[in-house]
Amino acid sequence: ELKVEQNPLFLSMQEGKNYTIYCNYSTTSDRLYWYRQDPGKSLESLFVLLSNGAVKQEGRLMASLDTKARLSTLHITAAVHDLSATYFCAVNRGGAQKLVFGQGTRLTINP
Amino acid sequence: DVKVTQSSRYLVKRTGEKVFLECVQDMDHENMFWYRQDPGLGLRLIYFSYDVKMKEKGDIPEGYSVSREKKERFSLILESASTNQTSMYLCASRTDRDYEQYFGPGTRLTVT
Repeated sequence: ELKVEQNPLFLSMQEGKNYTIYCNYSTTSDRLYWYRQDPGKSLESLFVLLSNGAVKQEGRLMASLDTKARLSTLHITAAVHDLSATYFCAVNRGGAQKLVFGQGTRLTINP
Repeated sequence: DVKVTQSSRYLVKRTGEKVFLECVQDMDHENMFWYRQDPGLGLRLIYFSYDVKMKEKGDIPEGYSVSREKKERFSLILESASTNQTSMYLCASRTDRDYEQYFGPGTRLTVT
């Protein structure tokens, strides 16, 4: 059974600092997703990582994938308040893109 | 832009009622999905459909059924709502030609 675990589940940090969210998964998969969710809103796609060693960056967010370690990281550089949200990773299972989600990491960035 | 819409943002129903949640996508996507989201559990797949009239159970199908009579529309049905089905329900769609799943705004269902 595919399990996806994120840590930390809650993260409070100051503006300007760097931090990393970790996403571990239990069985082989060829695709990993990162989503952002603002309070009361739906999920917004951030990154899709397709291969071992894949790295994608958008603004202050950078995601990477290590399929051998079954680990993805979402790195936040010089955090700003606008990045406060809940971040989910998800891993696909099966050919029809059935996704298994992590629990989510609630990120709060304080001025 | 891909658009996935859901019929209601908020819904309050009584225990035992039959509840219909509707999802419509406008991008001719083959695949559609229903998830529920609960705090600390992330999103869990209830059902998905890969074609009209085709469906497969997800991880938590008990107490739910689905209907897909037209390609653009995927309905989630709670035959007899119970309080443990109080949750946020999210619909998503995806084409076979792309990896992205596009999510609707969600329906927050409260069963009293």
